[in-house]
Amino acid sequence: EVQLLESGGGLVQPGGSLRLSCAASGFTFSTYPMSWVRQAPGKGLEWVSSISSIGGVTYYAESVKGRFIISRDNSKNTLYLQINSLGVEDTAVYYCAKVPTWPSYHFDYWGQGTLVTVSS
Amino acid sequence: SYVLTQSPSVSVAPGQTARITCGGNNIVTKSVHWYQQKPGQAPVLVIYYDNDRPSAIPDRFSGSNSGNTATLTISRVEAGDEADYYCQVWDDSSDHPGVFGGGTKLTVL
Repeated sequence: EVQLLESGGGLVQPGGSLRLSCAASGFTFSTYPMSWVRQAPGKGLEWVSSISSIGGVTYYAESVKGRFIISRDNSKNTLYLQINSLGVEDTAVYYCAKVPTWPSYHFDYWGQGTLVTVSS
Repeated sequence: SYVLTQSPSVSVAPGQTARITCGGNNIVTKSVHWYQQKPGQAPVLVIYYDNDRPSAIPDRFSGSNSGNTATLTISRVEAGDEADYYCQVWDDSSDHPGVFGGGTKLTVL
């Protein structure tokens, strides 16, 4: 059974940083691209970032480029998102999601999300 | 960057057919994926590559894509289908390729 378990969310002040993690199990992690998608309270889904299976190619939303860094450790079956220079607009539930096929990335399994709250 | 437009809400009676649209410039040239999200839950993929269904999704769910509009069709709507639905594409011509529509709230009357 595919499982994705996010962690690392919490309350952070504007300008602060966090590192989110997503522990994967139930599939061969190193074979699949992975992504982060977020959802602000009461709002829709927003794609944040994606990374290829071996980590050589990364993609970012315009709203986070230069502030967020996606990475993965295939030896630990773990996906990461380093989020820096946080603003109140970054308050959201952050989901990690598995990408089953390409070239058109989409998301077949999702974690339950981790909440990031940016507030002073 | 590429923009996907969805109507905010659709209402349908049980047993009827719901059609949820996703508009985009020449969207027929892209693969469209659809997600269902119920309150407090993570999204669930219901249609991928325009009209393929994951094995766990009932065949009441189908998709199509033509011109500037992609459509998610839910036949014989049930109360349990009430949810938010999002379309999504991967625009590989863009530096920021992941795109979601704004979502459509399906209400079962």
